Amino acid sequence: GAGVSQSPSNKVTEKGKDVELRCDPISGHTALYWYRQSLGQGLEFLIYFQGNSAPDKSGLPSDRFSAERTGGSVSTLTIQRTQQEDSAVYLCASSPYRGSGYTFGSGTRLTVV
Amino acid sequence: QKEVEQDPGPLSVPEGAIVSLNCTYSNSAFQYFMWYRQYSRKGPELLMYTYSSGNKEDGRFTAQVDKSSKYISLFIRDSQPSDSATYLCAMSDDNYGQNFVFGPGTRLSVLP
Repeated sequence: GAGVSQSPSNKVTEKGKDVELRCDPISGHTALYWYRQSLGQGLEFLIYFQGNSAPDKSGLPSDRFSAERTGGSVSTLTIQRTQQEDSAVYLCASSPYRGSGYTFGSGTRLTVV
Repeated sequence: QKEVEQDPGPLSVPEGAIVSLNCTYSNSAFQYFMWYRQYSRKGPELLMYTYSSGNKEDGRFTAQVDKSSKYISLFIRDSQPSDSATYLCAMSDDNYGQNFVFGPGTRLSVLP
């Protein structure tokens, strides 16, 4: 597609449930990032994928968070046993290569009740 | 002290005004600076990308970096209602996306 596509756009889940967030990057973009944006906070880096290299998971806040990228394209961010503090907008971005400017998707707004 | 500080606003200005948006930071190693615009319910959109100190101009937008003061600014000339959005600064000591530190954003409203 023309841009970075994220789904769902909104997700309401009960505390303790698992959720999966999907990101479809721009075709041909080898770098893919996940960020989290909480109210009044700056974007918080979560994880970075570059081609077939091992991902940089240094931003994941706990072991409840995991992500994978299949075939160097679509990525899924999974949050297990969701907590209320996980409520935020989860943004995905992609870029043609590491170090270039990147394009964000519109995000998934996650609400844990 | 947060690594990147930004006045959250909201900042309201009349149409046609010159807008000044600012960020301060504490890490003197930062040398890559970005400004993003984020409309409600949308992802951030890159406006300006600068390296080291100095000015960069693009249309009605000017980015200014003062590394000695650890202070960056984004100026918007002849502001329009369509400029109403949240503006985020981001900065890093290298050019790699996962290392950029973002400010919380300033909400701007340009009133017609």
